[in-house]
Amino acid sequence: AQSVAQPEDQVNVAEGNPLTVKCTYSVSGNPYLFWYVQYPNRGLQFLLKYITGDNLVKGSYGFEAEFNKSQTSFHLKKPSALVSDSALYFCAVRGLSNDYKLSFGAGTTVTVRA
Amino acid sequence: GAVVSQHPSWVICKSGTSVKIECRSLDFQATTMFWYRQFPKQSLMLMATSNEGSKATYEQGVEKDKFLINHASLTLSTLTVTSAHPEDSSFYICSAIRQENSNQPQHFGDGTRLSIL
Repeated sequence: AQSVAQPEDQVNVAEGNPLTVKCTYSVSGNPYLFWYVQYPNRGLQFLLKYITGDNLVKGSYGFEAEFNKSQTSFHLKKPSALVSDSALYFCAVRGLSNDYKLSFGAGTTVTVRA
Repeated sequence: GAVVSQHPSWVICKSGTSVKIECRSLDFQATTMFWYRQFPKQSLMLMATSNEGSKATYEQGVEKDKFLINHASLTLSTLTVTSAHPEDSSFYICSAIRQENSNQPQHFGDGTRLSIL
C-alpha cells in the first residue's frame, strides 16, 4: 500500500519569506512523487515531480522540492513566497504498479500575507 | 500542452435527475483517465479508473450503477451521476495520463461543482 502524510493543515508565511510545505510518503519500491496546487473551485495544477535522478527538483512558479530517501520525505519549498502562492497544496505518490493510481495527502493550506 | 477540459463547470439540478460530466484531453491521447470526488477542504477521493475501450475499475465503496463511466475514445471519458440526490452534491474532478508515458503526471480538469436540490 502507498500513502502520503502532510503533517500541517495550514502554513502561514509573510510575503518574501521562505515557504516550506512538508510531505512524507510510504510506498513499496522506488516512489514517483508529485506536488500539485489547487486554487478555489479549480482542478489541480501540476508543480513538479520526482521520478529519479537529482534529489533537488525544480518546478513551476519558482517552486522546488527535495527528495530524501532516508527520511522518506519530499518537502516543497519556495525561497520567497508571494501572496498569489496562497492556495491548497497536495503531495502525491505512486508506486511502480501499472495502474498509475496516485495517493494524495490531506492537503496543506498556504496563506501568504502581504 | 497536456490540457484537460471538463464540462460543465457547474451544475444545479433537482433530485432524481441524471447528470453527465465530460472529461476531454485536448492535445494528447489518454488511454487512462481517473474520476475523483472532493469534499470541501478535503483531499481527493479516487472513485474509478477509466480505460479506453473497457469497463471502468471502481474503488471500494463506489456504486458503479450510481456513477456510470464511459471511456469511448482516447480523448473522452464521461461520468454520469444517475438519479442524483442531495448527498451526491460535491466537486468532481477528472484527470488523464498521456498514452504510454508512465513518467508523466496526471493532468487534471478544472472540476465540476454538482449541487442537487
